[in-house]
Amino acid sequence: AQSVAQPEDQVNVAEGNPLTVKCTYSVSGNPYLFWYVQYPNRGLQFLLKYITGDNLVKGSYGFEAEFNKSQTSFHLKKPSALVSDSALYFCAVRDVDNYGQNFVFGPGTRLSVLP
Amino acid sequence: ETGVTQTPRHLVMGMTNKKSLKCEQHLGHNAMYWYKQSAKKPLELMFVYSLEERVENNSVPSRFSPECPNSSHLFLHLHTLQPEDSALYLCASSQGGLAGRLSTDTQYFGPGTRLTVL
Repeated sequence: AQSVAQPEDQVNVAEGNPLTVKCTYSVSGNPYLFWYVQYPNRGLQFLLKYITGDNLVKGSYGFEAEFNKSQTSFHLKKPSALVSDSALYFCAVRDVDNYGQNFVFGPGTRLSVLP
Repeated sequence: ETGVTQTPRHLVMGMTNKKSLKCEQHLGHNAMYWYKQSAKKPLELMFVYSLEERVENNSVPSRFSPECPNSSHLFLHLHTLQPEDSALYLCASSQGGLAGRLSTDTQYFGPGTRLTVL
């Protein structure tokens, strides 16, 4: 069965510093990987995805994520954090080769960017 | 905005009430989803419709009843709910689903309905 782990419930970073939100996954086949962000009282917004190709994926709002097959990770990164990046971040995975499985979301990581 | 709307945004209901949540997508997608988001729990997939055919039902209690009359609209009918059903209910849509199959494309979410069951 596929699964997603986000090992940190909370990440705090100072404004202007680089940020990393971690995600590891487990699938039996090849993964589709996604990052979503949720602001207070809003639904999830798509940030970026990895399907195939270049391991470094660039997305919205200056975010990027690196797919690492050997470490089964898909960490979200941004070179310089903004206070407005404070939100709840979800990683999601879908097993490409197992058509019977739908997306599985991680538990979420709350990012706080301090001014 | 993502092109997915949900009404109402907030709903308070008693355990004996019957209510419905509505979702509409303006993206031309052919798959729609209901998720439940509870505090401190992972997002729970409830139902998936692909080309108006239900393709997944994750052991959701029968007090939740989905309806997908066409590819743009999705309803969640609620009756005799329990207080533990209080949560944010999110609708999403995506493109690429085949009849009876699951879509692998990006999901776009609505803002959610905050449900409180008294």
